[in-house]
Amino acid sequence: NAGVTQTPKFRVLKTGQSMTLLCAQDMNHEYMYWYRQDPGMGLRLIHYSVGEGTTAKGEVPDGYNVSRLKKQNFLLGLESAAPSQTSVYFCASSPVGAGRNTEAFFGQGTRLTVV
Amino acid sequence: GENVEQHPSTLSVQEGDSAVIKCTYSDSASNYFPWYKQELGKRPQLIIDIRSNVGEKKDQRIAVTLNKTAKHFSLHITETQPEDSAVYFCAAIQFGNEKLTFGTGTRLTIIP
Repeated sequence: NAGVTQTPKFRVLKTGQSMTLLCAQDMNHEYMYWYRQDPGMGLRLIHYSVGEGTTAKGEVPDGYNVSRLKKQNFLLGLESAAPSQTSVYFCASSPVGAGRNTEAFFGQGTRLTVV
Repeated sequence: GENVEQHPSTLSVQEGDSAVIKCTYSDSASNYFPWYKQELGKRPQLIIDIRSNVGEKKDQRIAVTLNKTAKHFSLHITETQPEDSAVYFCAAIQFGNEKLTFGTGTRLTIIP
């Protein structure tokens, strides 16, 4: 059972380039989340999804887009990367919403550097 | 929306001593309070959680206490060991809320 898998693990982008981060979960979870982690700022929610075909904004959505075409996959896109988007990105999934006392399972993270 | 503050941001304790991390929240409707641990280079993982109808919950060397009146909850680690060194995150969530948002984290270092 792989759990939550993120692709790629590392990436270096030039300013203005675009890329897509893939998150895949094999636990049949309804909810999926994308976070960024920066030193001293904890885990900040970028976007999340409550089910296939749905997405919603989190705390820091600007500069990112997401799609959830299939229940098991949640894609995070950067259309025009900026140095401020240098960060470690984590994906997570949970069977139901956070407010129903459920555990979130995290991927291993993607370290993105924008130069 | 809910605003969670976490203190301290860094904490160093001697091995064997106790460590306490505190979180305060703003929304009195919040009723679920999980704690996640993130070891260096690893993914965050749930270590303990508490619901608002419980004042304290223990699991071996870790415990969480909740004061609903004061709107704060704390993580207590006793007899600390080197493997307790990590970043700890708290969260406060209202029933029915879909989002999982965290405090800013506490970096705990256990000094051998």
